Amino acid sequence: GDSVTQTEGPVTVSESESLIINCTYSATSIAYPNLFWYVRYPGEGLQLLLKVITAGQKGSSRGFEATYNKETTSFHLQKASVQESDSAVYYCALGSLSGANTGKLTFGHGTILRVHP
Amino acid sequence: NAGVIQTPRHKVTGKGQEATLWCEPISGHSAVFWYRQTIVQGLEFLTYFRNQAPIDDSGMPKERFSAQMPNQSHSTLKIQSTQPQDSAVYLCASRPGHQDTQYFGPGTRLLVL
Repeated sequence: GDSVTQTEGPVTVSESESLIINCTYSATSIAYPNLFWYVRYPGEGLQLLLKVITAGQKGSSRGFEATYNKETTSFHLQKASVQESDSAVYYCALGSLSGANTGKLTFGHGTILRVHP
Repeated sequence: NAGVIQTPRHKVTGKGQEATLWCEPISGHSAVFWYRQTIVQGLEFLTYFRNQAPIDDSGMPKERFSAQMPNQSHSTLKIQSTQPQDSAVYLCASRPGHQDTQYFGPGTRLLVL
């Protein structure tokens, strides 16, 4: 089946440091996977951070970036300079609307990010 | 726009009792998804409705779990004879038409004692 593996947390960084959270995927049932990063801030619900539909493209939001690499089956999340407000749980997810796929998402286990001032 | 609404937010049941969880999707969204989140298994897909019709229930446990969407404004997830291993956060998400972004509700935290 489909699966997503991401950096096991918690990840602790200091404010203004750079960040990378690794995500790799295996899409056995999806011909054209779409990739997503969702985030859950403390006390809030799960929300979309960014998405990339097409292999080779990059998505960005709130200073975060992720590039869909089909060759390495990766979708790593990066930020050049984190802020304390970025402290949250980050989830990498895999899905597709192509063909008979329903669009259901397969999630990684989540990575807790703690940013210290 | 109130977002996806889930009720109750917390539910405690005794082993063997029935639990019904409610989800109100965002108005106009044609697709509803249910997921379950546990520490061990993470976030897992349970079932999916499109235009109220059940499309994919491949993630639903074969026994005791059922889901319905009687109208476009709500869906229910029912767990009969609840067991301690059913304790989890149950998340509902809705999606507008063929767009690929799912919008998640706050979840219902179920605790089975």
